Amino acid sequence: ILNVEQSPQSLHVQEGDSTNFTCSFPSSNFYALHWYRWETAKSPEALFVMTLNGDEKKKGRISATLNTKEGYSYLYIKGSQPEDSATYLCAFIRSGGSYIPTFGRGTSLIVHP
Amino acid sequence: DVKVTQSSRYLVKRTGEKVFLECVQDMDHENMFWYRQDPGLGLRLIYFSYDVKMKEKGDIPEGYSVSREKKERFSLILESASTNQTSMYLCASSLVSRGYEQYFGPGTRLTVT
Repeated sequence: ILNVEQSPQSLHVQEGDSTNFTCSFPSSNFYALHWYRWETAKSPEALFVMTLNGDEKKKGRISATLNTKEGYSYLYIKGSQPEDSATYLCAFIRSGGSYIPTFGRGTSLIVHP
Repeated sequence: DVKVTQSSRYLVKRTGEKVFLECVQDMDHENMFWYRQDPGLGLRLIYFSYDVKMKEKGDIPEGYSVSREKKERFSLILESASTNQTSMYLCASSLVSRGYEQYFGPGTRLTVT
């Protein structure tokens, strides 16, 4: 079983704060790294699919970076809003296998108004 | 938009019953997955399928079986439900050309009493 770790496990911030989370994964046999947002009572939805070392992706106030050589990805949220409250999951896909994702346990973000 | 649907949002079954959870996707995806999500444990893969009639065990297949007779439909079967199978079950599908990005259904909250 591959080791995909996310930190912190949970985070409480005030509206307007910027925040970031970490996903660490094996640094060998990299194929892709995904970030998902999972809001309460909804399905997880993909934020980013990252495939190249040095990738930087952005969607509105949310951005992500990728370092495949050292095995980590950061997710940043600038100026957090209450609607950003969700669990953020990362998923690692290894090359040369079945290409099934291994998920981290997620970071639960709560943004207080 | 890709749509993944699951047959029930909430289900209550008795110990020993045979339970069928159905999942249908409408975008011709090759890969389909069944996960369960439990507090503190994240998403764990039960089974996946990369083609019709093909299936592979995931991390926690014990007590479950699956069926994929048509490309769009992937069924999860609990042969004899037990209380430790009370959980949230999520179905997902993915496409090779989109970096195996997962598209999730709304989930089925199963309670076994």
